[in-house]
Amino acid sequence: GAVVSQHPSRVICKSGTSVKIECRSLDFQATTMFWYRQFPKKSLMLMATSNEGSKATYEQGVEKDKFLINHASLTLSTLTVTSAHPEDSSFYICSALDAPNEKLFFGSGTQLSVL
Amino acid sequence: AQSVTQLGSHVSVSEGALVLLRCNYSSSVPPYLFWYVQYPNQGLQLLLKYTSAATLVKGINGFEAEFKKSETSFHLTKPSAHMSDAAEFFCAVDKGGKLIFGQGTELSVKP
Repeated sequence: GAVVSQHPSRVICKSGTSVKIECRSLDFQATTMFWYRQFPKKSLMLMATSNEGSKATYEQGVEKDKFLINHASLTLSTLTVTSAHPEDSSFYICSALDAPNEKLFFGSGTQLSVL
Repeated sequence: AQSVTQLGSHVSVSEGALVLLRCNYSSSVPPYLFWYVQYPNQGLQLLLKYTSAATLVKGINGFEAEFKKSETSFHLTKPSAHMSDAAEFFCAVDKGGKLIFGQGTELSVKP
């Protein structure tokens, strides 16, 4: 079964609203999680590294005020797309690092559509 | 800078034919390399990974990949394609604990 749960799988929202996406590690603790964005027929682009108990590390070109990341516990990281616009429509995927076992597990993704 | 390039955004094979998906890497140090598969409406699954042990790496579902330093390649192969192999395949390299993905190759399998 899935070891990383990502919710919701699909969300449609109006322009200007905020959307929160959750990523949970189900049977291991993940001090590090990653958030990716995937455009149709494109590769996954790493947005940020989420670190439990500290600020996220954002990749170059990713607006930290636009994409708020909170990693408040060892099993949960959230990505909030603030004041969403149609250009934010995309497929967002999280992954969680099971560091002791050196394994990386991916969530099933969230399809965000901003109208 | 560490990166990977996948040659061919779309590959189509007949059922039972050889599958070959190409990936070349650029890295100044021996890299950790990965192949992931994404089935429709699902998340990514790890197929296999190279971590500088054996150069021929066997993964799940009959896939394998060979690390060739002289060619800076890590191509993915499967001797006989099944219809269920149709998916998007991503090559990736570990960059300081973060995965950097290639552009992806969509594999279609014809009956």
